[in-house]
Amino acid sequence: SQTIHQWPATLVQPVGSPLSLECTVEGTSNPNLYWYRQAAGRGLQLLFYSVGIGQISSEVPQNLSASRPQDRQFILSSKKLLLSDSGFYLCAWSPTSGSVGQFFGPGTRLTVL
Amino acid sequence: AQSVTQLDSHVSVSEGTPVLLRCNYSSSYSPSLFWYVQHPNKGLQLLLKYTSAATLVKGINGFEAEFKKSETSFHLTKPSAHMSDAAEYFCVVSVLSGGYNKLIFGAGTRLAVHP
Repeated sequence: SQTIHQWPATLVQPVGSPLSLECTVEGTSNPNLYWYRQAAGRGLQLLFYSVGIGQISSEVPQNLSASRPQDRQFILSSKKLLLSDSGFYLCAWSPTSGSVGQFFGPGTRLTVL
Repeated sequence: AQSVTQLDSHVSVSEGTPVLLRCNYSSSYSPSLFWYVQHPNKGLQLLLKYTSAATLVKGINGFEAEFKKSETSFHLTKPSAHMSDAAEYFCVVSVLSGGYNKLIFGAGTRLAVHP
């Protein structure tokens, strides 16, 4: 069966520091991968999606970037964090074909101080 | 354009009573619809999905939803609420966009269950 992992689970970082969040998927090949952010009391905002290695699409302009160095690895990064980057970051995967929904990881709680 | 409206931001029920979480969708073609649940500080878990098969969809933990095209609704129900059902619930429609199935999320309904 497929599983999705995210780390770290929680992170507290000062403004201006770099960021690296990692997501890995097991038990499937060539998945579509997604990064979402959920701000406090708000819905989910899609940040990036990837349909293959090295293929990244950004949904909204922002202070963050994403990379996919391996088929089942998705990384969210920032060179300098802003206060507004605080939130709950969720990684998700889906099969490349068919509309069966997306499957979410456990999330990373990021607090920027 | 596809969209989802969750009609209640908060729903409160007593343990053992029925649950109804309402969702209306807008779609220019036959949609794929989902309900997800999120417990505090956790990821989203897929409860059930409708993908143009049976209109009454059964999911996990005793939840089910009925797709009603005439009403453009996909309400989530459960006959008897349990304390562990307290969470946030998201109604979602899937849209084919840029080579993948993009999810459009509703704003969420927070379900409270009282003893």
